[in-house]
Amino acid sequence: RKEVEQDPGPFNVPEGATVAFNCTYSNSASQSFFWYRQDCRKEPKLLMSVYSSGNEDGRFTAQLNRASQYISLLIRDSKLSDSATYLCVVSLTSNTGKLIFGQGTTLQVKP
Amino acid sequence: NAGVTQTPKFQVLKTGQSMTLQCAQDMNHEYMSWYRQDPGMGLRLIHYSVGAGITDQGEVPNGYNVSRSTTEDFPLRLLSAAPSQTSVYFCASTTMLPRSGANVLTFGAGSRLTVL
Repeated sequence: RKEVEQDPGPFNVPEGATVAFNCTYSNSASQSFFWYRQDCRKEPKLLMSVYSSGNEDGRFTAQLNRASQYISLLIRDSKLSDSATYLCVVSLTSNTGKLIFGQGTTLQVKP
Repeated sequence: NAGVTQTPKFQVLKTGQSMTLQCAQDMNHEYMSWYRQDPGMGLRLIHYSVGAGITDQGEVPNGYNVSRSTTEDFPLRLLSAAPSQTSVYFCASTTMLPRSGANVLTFGAGSRLTVL
């Protein structure tokens, strides 16, 4: 079983749609959680951290369920520019840079 | 502020050749790491360093060597290239989020390596 699992997609949605991505992680001792965004043939960039209380950044909402070992990302009012691969990332500790990446979920927003 | 700089962007090697991927950061970060990205596999940690003079192995270290003589530089050496090392390589350095203290990675632009 992979340590971090995501549905690879692709998710094809029209502009303005709401789309949700899910991610599960296997190690219950995981402490830090993130969503990264990766555009085609580019490096990953931090989209947002995921906190236990849930957090929102504009059209993006991230949720963490420690009991179910489950992370989600909700994108509202999708834009063409949201087309990218979204990487779920987990760290066992908060004080090192050793992160474990999911394989990513690809989103394609259509006009 | 250049951030994390990787060279070369593209490289083609023959099996058995050796080469070094360069990585430099100008943010005075202690923690640096190398990942490789393959289709369907996600990013996998090759080696990492918690500071000058200190390195350690990640998930997939075989066939690679690293050193950290300065805070700024963290080169990755392929000792004898194999087709299985065809991949996209990313170097990263770590910054700390002020709210949580969690570390997040800033990546270089990547190096695409093909081994024939």
